[in-house]
Amino acid sequence: DQQVKQNSPSLSVQEGRISILNCDYTNSMFDYFLWYKKYPAEGPTFLISISSIKDKNEDGRFTVFLNKSAKHLSLHIVPSQPGDSAVYFCAASGANAGKSTFGDGTTLTVKP
Amino acid sequence: NAGVTQTPKFQVLKTGQSMTLQCAQDMNHNSMYWYRQDPGMGLRLIYYSASEGTTDKGEVPNGYNVSRLNKREFSLRLESAAPSQTSVYFCASSTRDYNSPLHFGNGTRLTVT
Repeated sequence: DQQVKQNSPSLSVQEGRISILNCDYTNSMFDYFLWYKKYPAEGPTFLISISSIKDKNEDGRFTVFLNKSAKHLSLHIVPSQPGDSAVYFCAASGANAGKSTFGDGTTLTVKP
Repeated sequence: NAGVTQTPKFQVLKTGQSMTLQCAQDMNHNSMYWYRQDPGMGLRLIYYSASEGTTDKGEVPNGYNVSRLNKREFSLRLESAAPSQTSVYFCASSTRDYNSPLHFGNGTRLTVT
């Protein structure tokens, strides 16, 4: 049973518009959530995170929202830029964020 | 600053051959990890080392062994490679701090025929 799910394999948006990437989880023991961004032929890089005691965390153009009751989180990118085109992984963990459970990723394409 | 360095970048093995994937980090991180990523899937944890001298199994440890050689280096060994081990392998490191994110290398693409 997959504990972290990203139900949209791909998303295409126009430059300047909002990108919304979604993630659902099933394990109530998860209390820390992270988003990683991955370009082809590179390793994932950390983007933004949120603790379960918060419902929103913002960093520049990136905002992550957490709805614990629905076991759902989302990443908003505003405004989207062509350089944001990449695969985005949602990850969830307990006390050790290094031992994360990853979703399958969403490929974001931002069209100029 | 190199961060996390993995060697080799690519490798092709025949079934039954053995090899060791090397990983080194220069960020003075205590914890190191090995993940694998299969096509269209997320990363799955193979083994990790919370600190020098300790190693523990992750989600998919079968067919692998690891060695934490020192604080900088963490190697992954395939003793008898199988086609099911065809994957991209990522090494990562983190501080020991609670909720510290992972810093990844650029991966080793392994094909077992």
